[in-house]
Amino acid sequence: AQSVAQPEDQVNVAEGNPLTVKCTYSVSGNPYLFWYVQYPNRGLQFLLKYITGDNLVKGSYGFEAEFNKSQTSFHLKKPSALVSDSALYFCAARNSGNTPLVFGKGTRLSVIA
Amino acid sequence: NAGVTQTPKFQVLKTGQSMTLQCAQDMNHNSMYWYRQDPGMGLRLIYYSASEGTTDKGEVPNGYNVSRLNKREFSLRLESAAPSQTSVYFCASGGTLYEQYFGPGTRLTVT
Repeated sequence: AQSVAQPEDQVNVAEGNPLTVKCTYSVSGNPYLFWYVQYPNRGLQFLLKYITGDNLVKGSYGFEAEFNKSQTSFHLKKPSALVSDSALYFCAARNSGNTPLVFGKGTRLSVIA
Repeated sequence: NAGVTQTPKFQVLKTGQSMTLQCAQDMNHNSMYWYRQDPGMGLRLIYYSASEGTTDKGEVPNGYNVSRLNKREFSLRLESAAPSQTSVYFCASGGTLYEQYFGPGTRLTVT
């Protein structure tokens, strides 16, 4: 069975500092990996994805993520955090078949001014 | 393009009542999904439809039924609501670019 783990319920970072939100996955075959962000009382917004190719993928709002096959990880990063980045972040995965996404439990990011 | 729309936005039900949550997408996607979001549990898949005319159970299907009415619409029905079904429900659709697009959600309370 496919699964996604986000080991941190909460990440706190000072504005202007780099941020990392961690994600590991277990997927049979080649993984398709995604990050979504959820602001209060809103739906999930797509940030970025890894399907194939370069291990470092860039997405919306200055976010990027690094695919590491040996560590089965797909950590979300941003060089300089903004207060407006404070939100709930979800990592998701699926295999290359037509299967639904499996989501992690989410990590709440708090950026402090 | 409205994307994925859901109705209603909020609903309060008494135990045992029934209701249908509506979802529509205008992106011509083949796949549609229903998730529920509970604190500390992330998003859990209830049912999905890989294409018009097909539906499959997800992780937590008990107490729910779905109908893929046509390519655009995918409804979720609670036949006899229970307090354990208090949650936020999200509909999503997915196309050939692999990612899913989400609606704004329905906040359901069952008393």
